[in-house]
Amino acid sequence: AQKITQTQPGMFVQEKEAVTLDCTYDTSDQSYGLFWYKQPSSGEMIFLIYQGSYDEQNATEGRYSLNFQKARKSANLVISASQLGDSAMYFCAMREENQGGSEKLVFGKGTKLTVNP
Amino acid sequence: DTAVSQTPKYLVTQMGNDKSIKCEQNLGHDTMYWYKQDSKKFLKIMFSYNNKELIINETVPNRFSPKSPDKAHLNLHINSLELGDSAVYFCASSRGRLRSYEQYFGPGTRLTVT
Repeated sequence: AQKITQTQPGMFVQEKEAVTLDCTYDTSDQSYGLFWYKQPSSGEMIFLIYQGSYDEQNATEGRYSLNFQKARKSANLVISASQLGDSAMYFCAMREENQGGSEKLVFGKGTKLTVNP
Repeated sequence: DTAVSQTPKYLVTQMGNDKSIKCEQNLGHDTMYWYKQDSKKFLKIMFSYNNKELIINETVPNRFSPKSPDKAHLNLHINSLELGDSAVYFCASSRGRLRSYEQYFGPGTRLTVT
């Protein structure tokens, strides 16, 4: 079963507007973490924001905020005041702990965001 | 200073060849990872090492053999390359347990098998 679901393969937004990228997750763990990464066309993976399952407040980092709804198991990324440079693939990921305490990130399939001038 | 570096950035080779990708991190992290990103952009973990010890091996064919000579390096050797191995391979590192922003990715190595 897919653990991270990003239902929007592609999204378009006008420059200076806000956009929400959806992410839902599936876990039975009480303690988990959710990450968003940006991958521009140049290919590198850029960390954007993190939300811990016990964090009481939604995470924010500059123009990025995470709309965390624990009961719905959703962790949507909100980008305010979109810029042309925000055009990229965006990946939602969840920290998963294996038996023995090792950890890894499990990624969604990504959303390609295009910002139009 | 590059935190996580990979060489080469591009690798084009023929089926059946053996190739290696090198990864180095200068962050002092204990844990290193290899991820594969396929043509549909899907990222999946392959291996994880903690202090030179293999801790995650995600059902990867045994043609792939990671090697960690020290905790700052994690190399990936691939034997008998196949067309399906064409992908972008990312190395990453973290400070032991994953919290917050602690997983840093290298720039990726685009492997093309012809």
